[in-house]
Amino acid sequence: DAKTTQPTSMDCAEGRAANLPCNHSTISGNEYVYWYRQIHSQGPQYIIHGLKNNETNEMASLIITEDRKSSTLILPHATLRDTAVYYCIVRVANDKIIFGKGTRLHILP
Amino acid sequence: DAGITQSPRYKITETGRQVTLMCHQTWSHSYMFWYRQDLGHGLRLIYYSAAADITDKGEVPDGYVVSRSKTENFPLTLESATRSQTSVYFCASSDPSRLAGAHEQFFGPGTRLTVL
Repeated sequence: DAKTTQPTSMDCAEGRAANLPCNHSTISGNEYVYWYRQIHSQGPQYIIHGLKNNETNEMASLIITEDRKSSTLILPHATLRDTAVYYCIVRVANDKIIFGKGTRLHILP
Repeated sequence: DAGITQSPRYKITETGRQVTLMCHQTWSHSYMFWYRQDLGHGLRLIYYSAAADITDKGEVPDGYVVSRSKTENFPLTLESATRSQTSVYFCASSDPSRLAGAHEQFFGPGTRLTVL
């Protein structure tokens, strides 16, 4: 079973920051938080991952709470091309990925 | 710079037939994975392989067979296809020996399989 809980869907206005929450209250000390997204009909795409500290790359930022029980993926300036299903995944590095249902993000023009 | 490819991209077959879906990666990644995705479901892991000649079951392995004689190839075989195996199949690879490889899986474009 997936170890995360995400909202089923979210809307965000184009140009605004999209904040996608994820709960992972049973996360273990050696488990990372990963985010992938899947644009319609394509294979999933890795976005970012983190262990304890907040992380940022060219695509997004990942904010992990101090107790590591939840996190937020931030797309700073959402565009229509960011419309996708976003998956929050918790796992040990090198382990297989178990996907949940994810959050369907709609970017509104 | 082919990356990870899947063939065929689309396949229609009949119940009871054997079907093999191919997956090829050019990065020499040690890990390879097969997932299926059905309407209303996220991706579900079928089988994975940590290296050539090493394979293991995922969440939904029944009705599927895999092999890994070469690092770059990971074929998935449906020995006797059923309608419930109609799905989109994604192959992925990763390499934990590389700096970012432990964390990132690279996915192929998918194979859309219809079993009539």
